[in-house]
Amino acid sequence: GESVGLHLPTLSVQEGDNSIINCAYSNSASDYFIWYKQESGKGPQFIIDIRSNMDKRQGQRVTVLLNKTVKHLSLQIAATQPGDSAVYFCAETGGGADGLTFGKGTHLIIQP
Amino acid sequence: EAGVAQSPRYKIIEKRQSVAFWCNPISGHATLYWYQQILGQGPKLLIQFQNNGVVDDSQLPKDRFSAERLKGVDSTLKIQPAKLEDSAVYLCASSSQVGNQPQHFGDGTRLSIL
Repeated sequence: GESVGLHLPTLSVQEGDNSIINCAYSNSASDYFIWYKQESGKGPQFIIDIRSNMDKRQGQRVTVLLNKTVKHLSLQIAATQPGDSAVYFCAETGGGADGLTFGKGTHLIIQP
Repeated sequence: EAGVAQSPRYKIIEKRQSVAFWCNPISGHATLYWYQQILGQGPKLLIQFQNNGVVDDSQLPKDRFSAERLKGVDSTLKIQPAKLEDSAVYLCASSSQVGNQPQHFGDGTRLSIL
C-alpha cells in the first residue's frame, strides 16, 4: 500500500521550546491518523489521534493538525521537556483497511 | 488497566530454527494485531485478528510465518524456518473494536537471528 513518511529523521530542540514534527501521507483514502511516541526498548505509546473530518485536535501539551488538501499532518509539543525525547511516528489507516501504516519516525532530541 | 503483555522480551536463535512469540491483549479488546519493526523503521503490519478470525494477513509471509488466536484472547506468532532478515522487534497491539480506534502496543519481542 501507500506509505506515510516524515520529513526529518532527527529534530533537535531546546528544553522549554515548542517542537513541531511533520508528516506527509500519500493515501487519499486515509481517514484516521495517530501519533505515537516510542522510547528505546519500548513499544509505541499512543499520544493523540485525529479523524479526517477534523483539522485540529488538542491534548495535554500536544496539538495535531491535519491538512487534507496537501496530505500533511503535524504534531506540536508545547514547552518540550527532557521526557519528550523519543522517536515519534505518525500512522494512518483508511480505505477499508484497519491495520496502521507507519512512517519511518522522527527522533526528537532535547538539548538542556 | 493492564497493558498488552508479550513474551519473551528477547530471543536469539540460529537461522533455520523455529521460534514462537506470545501476546495477551488488553482485557476485552476484540481486535489484535502483530507488527514487525526492523531497526530504524516504523512497524509494519503482519496480521490482524477480530476475535478468533483473521481479518487481514495480506502482508504475512505465509511460507514461514503463522499466527493463531484460537480462543479469541491470547495469540501466538510463529516463524519456521527463520531467516537472517527476520531479525526485528515483533510487536503486538490491540484495540477495543475495528475501525478508527487507537491501537495499544506491548513492548515487543526482540528477535536476533545468528
